[in-house]
Amino acid sequence: KNQVEQSPQSLIILEGKNCTLQCNYTVSPFSNLRWYKQDTGRGPVSLTIMTFSENTKSNGRYTATLDADTKQSSLHITASQLSDSASYICVVSRYSNDYKLSFGAGTTVTVRA
Amino acid sequence: DVKVTQSSRYLVKRTGEKVFLECVQDMDHENMFWYRQDPGLGLRLIYFSYDVKMKEKGDIPEGYSVSREKKERFSLILESASTNQTSMYLCASSPRRLAGGLEQYFGPGTRLTVT
Repeated sequence: KNQVEQSPQSLIILEGKNCTLQCNYTVSPFSNLRWYKQDTGRGPVSLTIMTFSENTKSNGRYTATLDADTKQSSLHITASQLSDSASYICVVSRYSNDYKLSFGAGTTVTVRA
Repeated sequence: DVKVTQSSRYLVKRTGEKVFLECVQDMDHENMFWYRQDPGLGLRLIYFSYDVKMKEKGDIPEGYSVSREKKERFSLILESASTNQTSMYLCASSPRRLAGGLEQYFGPGTRLTVT
């Protein structure tokens, strides 16, 4: 069973609207959580990273939150643009020096004009 | 900027062929990784290398081997390609001191189809 579950699997939003993606994890222990953006046909690119003590992190119109107690994270996209159409992947690391990461399956976001 | 390049974006091979996927990074990173990505599944680690000629098996190494003769280059080898190896293959690299806790830099991926 995947230790990182993302929801929804996909969503469609109109340009200019906001949306929120969810990530629930069971990975333990916990070191940090990262959100990646993967454009079609490209490799993933990091958006944000949060450690245990951080509960929010922003990168432009992207805001990630983390609740380490409930093991939940969300990624909020504000005022969506067509270029936000991509897959968003939640990645959890157990240790700061651990090369084995746990990847969610991703949420595919489609922004329509 | 970190750059990770992969030799092919698209590849079509026949069952039983030996397949080489090449990855090169230009940031002098110690760690390099090969993943495969399938719809509905998260990225799965095939092999990891932390130094020249050093490698460790990931979660799904069966049917694959790797080679790292130079620090900047990491090759994935499918000894005898099978249809269930049709997938997107992603290479990544990271500095040693940031092995897993921080960012891995990904290449653009190679979409391999085995017929």
